[in-house]
Amino acid sequence: AQKVTQAQTEISVVEKEDVTLDCVYETRDTTYYLFWYKQPPSGELVFLIRRNSFDEQNEISGRYSWNFQKSTSSFNFTITASQVVDSAVYFCALSEEVRSALTFGCGTRLQVQ
Amino acid sequence: GAGVSQSPSNKVTEKGKDVELRCDPISGHTALYWYRQSLGQGLEFLIYFQGNSAPDKSGLPSDRFSAERTGGSVSTLTIQRTQQEDSAVYLCASSSLGRTAVQYFGPGTRLTVT
Repeated sequence: AQKVTQAQTEISVVEKEDVTLDCVYETRDTTYYLFWYKQPPSGELVFLIRRNSFDEQNEISGRYSWNFQKSTSSFNFTITASQVVDSAVYFCALSEEVRSALTFGCGTRLQVQ
Repeated sequence: GAGVSQSPSNKVTEKGKDVELRCDPISGHTALYWYRQSLGQGLEFLIYFQGNSAPDKSGLPSDRFSAERTGGSVSTLTIQRTQQEDSAVYLCASSSLGRTAVQYFGPGTRLTVT
């Protein structure tokens, strides 16, 4: 069975600090997909990134970067120079085949002050 | 272009009543998903429609829950004889056919059962 663990329930940082959100996953499949979604106070889930299990290259998009390590089953998300607008709940998710249902972690609430 | 839309945005109902929640996916998206977000259970998968294939109902919590998708587009999630534990935000997502297959979510329907 697949499982996603986000051990950090809540993180509070001061603006301009860097912050890393952890995500550890479990799956028996060799082909799988990992996602991060952002849920701001408005409530709508916003897609951030999708990675497949064959692509371990780290990715950077502006202030956001993602570190995918199959050896530790982790897909961590770093926000550099955090801003107040980054305050949200961030969800890591896993699917085991394209277009299958997502299994979500419990989410990490990030508060940037 | 238009995103996923859901209606109503909020629904308050009395215990025991039936409710219907509607989802309009992104035009051209063949896959449609329903999820539920509640304080105690987080984000849970409910049901998945893909084209004309039989839906994956493996996430439905009880036989009081059902969903249909008409004409491969609009979907309705029906909860019969609502219970207080059904109170949650019901989220709909859609995705296109193809390698990207990212699920795009609607704003959700907040259901409160009193």
